[in-house]
Amino acid sequence: GAVVSQHPSRVICKSGTSVKIECRSLDFQATTMFWYRQFPKKSLMLMATSNEGSKATYEQGVEKDKFLINHASLTLSTLTVTSAHPEDSSFYICSASYYLKGSEEGAFFGQGTRLTVV
Amino acid sequence: AQKITQTQPGMFVQEKEAVTLDCTYDTSDPSYGLFWYKQPSSGEMIFLIYQGSYDQQNATEGRYSLNFQKARKSANLVISASQLGDSAMYFCAMREDRSGGSNYKLTFGKGTLLTVNP
Repeated sequence: GAVVSQHPSRVICKSGTSVKIECRSLDFQATTMFWYRQFPKKSLMLMATSNEGSKATYEQGVEKDKFLINHASLTLSTLTVTSAHPEDSSFYICSASYYLKGSEEGAFFGQGTRLTVV
Repeated sequence: AQKITQTQPGMFVQEKEAVTLDCTYDTSDPSYGLFWYKQPSSGEMIFLIYQGSYDQQNATEGRYSLNFQKARKSANLVISASQLGDSAMYFCAMREDRSGGSNYKLTFGKGTLLTVNP
């Protein structure tokens, strides 16, 4: 399958600072990437859809000024958590769209980033 | 309304036995895709299997097979010959086309925690 790499896997930051998370498609080009947030023992919640060369589409209730998304190339999308607070502590995971067979699209995920804000 | 329903919060199976994880979905879109992902304790989301709404045959990938019953809107995952390494959280997800092309969204169920006993 397609390889999606996410970095860092873990990060601890101080309250008020910003943290950048990278999501890379290693062996394919991804025009669309997705950012999810997952609380402990919960399902994945889509935060935003990242489109190469255009503004990200945020889901309802997600603060676009707090979670900045940049998709500057076909292989890289970044999520920056700005002015992080303890309530932003969570598991963040990205995925990239990929053609499984024919015209069917699927999603391959990165390894995820566990963010802890202290 | 919940679009993906996984009614089994937890399941137990003996090593080498088969297990079925339930998933029902709700959509009015004639074109959709169904996915199963495995999430071990490390957090990464591992793609297992995909079923398109127009696929006539049930999808199979090694020890994984998808029991697709379109009229009942169910897409159960069957794992044959369970292994200890299969212990993980399993998520069912559905892709719905929002506006065609690659602008789609994956909706996840709440997951089922599978424990394989030796």
